[in-house]
Amino acid sequence: SQKIEQNSEALNIQEGKTATLTCNYTNYSPAYLQWYRQDPGRGPVFLLLIRENEKEKRKERLKVTFDTTLKQSLFHITASQPADSATYLCALATDTGRRALTFGSGTRLQVQP
Amino acid sequence: DTAVSQTPKYLVTQMGNDKSIKCEQNLGHDTMYWYKQDSKKFLKIMFSYNNKELIINETVPNRFSPKSPDKAHLNLHINSLELGDSAVYFCASSQVGFRGRETQYFGPGTRLLVL
Repeated sequence: SQKIEQNSEALNIQEGKTATLTCNYTNYSPAYLQWYRQDPGRGPVFLLLIRENEKEKRKERLKVTFDTTLKQSLFHITASQPADSATYLCALATDTGRRALTFGSGTRLQVQP
Repeated sequence: DTAVSQTPKYLVTQMGNDKSIKCEQNLGHDTMYWYKQDSKKFLKIMFSYNNKELIINETVPNRFSPKSPDKAHLNLHINSLELGDSAVYFCASSQVGFRGRETQYFGPGTRLLVL
């Protein structure tokens, strides 16, 4: 069956360090992978999109990698700040079929000052 | 300006009742969605409408009925509410484009608690 797995345990890091979050998937052939941020009591907010033929994408302090061989995406936040504390969701979309994203359950990041 | 808005934000009701959640987007998007986020934080697609036409209908009990009066609105009506319906319901919208490339804009969510 199709699965998207994110580390369900919270990730605690010190301010200034790099946070690395993992998204693994099985039985998918996604054309796109997106990362969203969700704060408590709010809806997810789009951060980055990466295509299957892209290895890496950057936006300010954020970096996403996409390895279709390993079936994995890594999401990095460099020089992390307490304001980066949130839950981060990865979402996959295939090239065909329905127009909807399939989300992982998210990883909660806590950046300690 | 609120891009995707939902009402109500909180909804507490008794089992067996019928309730509606409303969603409106002012982004000019063609596609709107309803997602359910359960206690384990999984976001699952329920329905999707494109220009008022239903294009995705996941395995959702037929007690749930979406209605899109125009492309800026997508409402969700739930009949005979059950305890298991308690969750956060998110509305979202996206512009028509190549599948998967559209980013989705989410509303603030409606927290439904069925007692």
